[in-house]
Amino acid sequence: GAVVSQHPSWVICKSGTSVKIECRSLDFQATTMFWYRQFPKQSLMLMATSNEGSKATYEQGVEKDKFLINHASLTLSTLTVTSAHPEDSSFYICSARDMASGSYNEQFFGPGTRLTVL
Amino acid sequence: AQKVTQAQTEISVVEKEDVTLDCVYETRDTTYYLFWYKQPPSGELVFLIRRNSFDEQNEISGRYSWNFQKSTSSFNFTITASQVVDSAVYFCALSSLGNEKLTFGTGTRLTIIP
Repeated sequence: GAVVSQHPSWVICKSGTSVKIECRSLDFQATTMFWYRQFPKQSLMLMATSNEGSKATYEQGVEKDKFLINHASLTLSTLTVTSAHPEDSSFYICSARDMASGSYNEQFFGPGTRLTVL
Repeated sequence: AQKVTQAQTEISVVEKEDVTLDCVYETRDTTYYLFWYKQPPSGELVFLIRRNSFDEQNEISGRYSWNFQKSTSSFNFTITASQVVDSAVYFCALSSLGNEKLTFGTGTRLTIIP
């Protein structure tokens, strides 16, 4: 149980294009999903917290107009990197909280999406 | 503010040796949760353990063991009889009751030499 999928697993795009990444909780409902970015040999940095049915909460320094997050259902959140540039190339990881997990704050992580912008 | 420090950036040990990964945390919250994750080269984060602040009992799971010491704000991870498959980056993380955000340490890259 508690499986989170991401699609695509990797994507290469041209500079200036937009890329959408999907995060799905496959066997549980998630009112809250998180999006992280990880540069090579660095730690995970939280970009935003995505809440079903409401606007995402972005961390300081993350451009909300650049990284559009939509959490339209209890099992799906999407991250759209708009007008991507080479500096947006990174490993993007989502995680989801199981509504039934109580107060333990446990997050289940997706396998990540590697974005390369040429 | 919460903080997690993993002072060891990289560690290399010969296979079958024991290795301990250090994690020191800072939080003002009285109820908090500590985690360890493994990130192999594939990139996917693998959950290893969660420990609640009110449970200081150490835990052993096969070759893995964790030492939680509230007095020193540490949550160290030991692998006994290391194997090549243990090679990965290991992250320690922290969150608190009422704050869902996970604060990650910078990670320790562990290399097991055959």
